[in-house]
Amino acid sequence: EAQVTQNPRYLITVTGKKLTVTCSQNMNHEYMSWYRQDPGLGLRQIYYSMNVEVTDKGDVPEGYKVSRKEKRNFPLILESPSPNQTSLYFCASSFSPANEKLFFGSGTQLSVL
Amino acid sequence: GEDVEQSLFLSVREGDSSVINCTYTDSSSTYLYWYKQEPGAGLQLLTYIFSNMDMKQDQRLTVLLNKKDKHLSLRIADTQTGDSAIYFCAERTYSSASKIIFGSGTRLSIRP
Repeated sequence: EAQVTQNPRYLITVTGKKLTVTCSQNMNHEYMSWYRQDPGLGLRQIYYSMNVEVTDKGDVPEGYKVSRKEKRNFPLILESPSPNQTSLYFCASSFSPANEKLFFGSGTQLSVL
Repeated sequence: GEDVEQSLFLSVREGDSSVINCTYTDSSSTYLYWYKQEPGAGLQLLTYIFSNMDMKQDQRLTVLLNKKDKHLSLRIADTQTGDSAIYFCAERTYSSASKIIFGSGTRLSIRP
């Protein structure tokens, strides 16, 4: 089944403790992206990747890192999480940046205490 | 700049039509989308329209695009309880082909 898989689904952590949210897609998509969803703000793009080893900042990249060593994986790294990074995170992918259909993962609810 | 706006809530009686509205600012839009988010799930693409189209119909869904007013709407005919969800309007533009800009989402609730 074609899908975007994120893990974990829920995560509670404390300020300053490094964490990684994994994202994997099995559709051979070139384009992958991370979004955060906050009430009343919709989805805001954090980082995106056009292909392996190519990543770029989105609208809200501060406090986040990403890597794209392989085509299928695009992990989101929070080196020193802070409470304002408490949010619902979505990974998404598409065949190409201009492709009309973006596939989303089920989301990761992160709480930073 | 780029901005997509929509109202936060809509309540509709079961069986009636729902109309969810959206406005956008970037006139260089290429694609305009409607995504549906059910509770506890990611976003799923419902439908999309090219910017050179005025209307698109897909079963119970009708998308209308008014380019002059930069207004997009989604009409759901015969609204059912399974249509309860958050609906996101989104656009892709020539100036930012690498990203999709989302609105804040409209929560649709269905009254019996």
